[in-house]
Amino acid sequence: EVQLVESGGGLVQPGGSLRLSCAASGFRFSDYWIHWIRQVPGKGLAWVSRITIDGSNTAFADSVKGRFTISRDNAKNMVYLQLRSLRVEDTAVYYCVRDGGVGTPFDHWGQGTLVTVSS
Amino acid sequence: DFQMTQSPSSLSASVGDRVTITCRASQSISSSVNWYQQKSGKAPKLLIDAASTLQSGVPSRFSGSGSGTDFTLTISSLQPEDFATYYCQWSWTFGQGTRVEIK
Repeated sequence: EVQLVESGGGLVQPGGSLRLSCAASGFRFSDYWIHWIRQVPGKGLAWVSRITIDGSNTAFADSVKGRFTISRDNAKNMVYLQLRSLRVEDTAVYYCVRDGGVGTPFDHWGQGTLVTVSS
Repeated sequence: DFQMTQSPSSLSASVGDRVTITCRASQSISSSVNWYQQKSGKAPKLLIDAASTLQSGVPSRFSGSGSGTDFTLTISSLQPEDFATYYCQWSWTFGQGTRVEIK
């Protein structure tokens, strides 16, 4: 069974940092791109970042560029999203999501981890 | 900027009703539009990919169609378990969502 399990969310003050983790299992991890997609409570879905299969290529939404970094460890089946210089508007549930590459859908989602940025 | 405009933003319907949700792309795109269902407190679930390919286990009352700029998700006979929010998506862009509520 494909599983993506996020962890690392919590309450952080504006300007603070947090590292989210995504543990993958049940599939050949190194064959898949991994994305982070977030959702402000009660609002829609917004793509945040993605990393290619070997980690050589990353991309970020303009709203987080320069503040967030993404990495992966294929030996551990893990993806990480480092969040820095956090803002109140970064408050959201962050989902770890799998896809097979260009033109393929987001076919499996984790359960999400809530990040709350507040003083 | 590329946009996916989804309509309506919400609708009320009864069990057994036929429901149609539309998504319009701001420019002509391939047929790689995907549809997701999200129930309250849960992660989104892929329903349809490539505009019309139903995922395994998804009931046949769900269908998708479209090409170019206009895409449609149809539920032929709404069931109680279908009350949820639906999103279209192309590349890294999502529509705003359509909340389907009980009338």
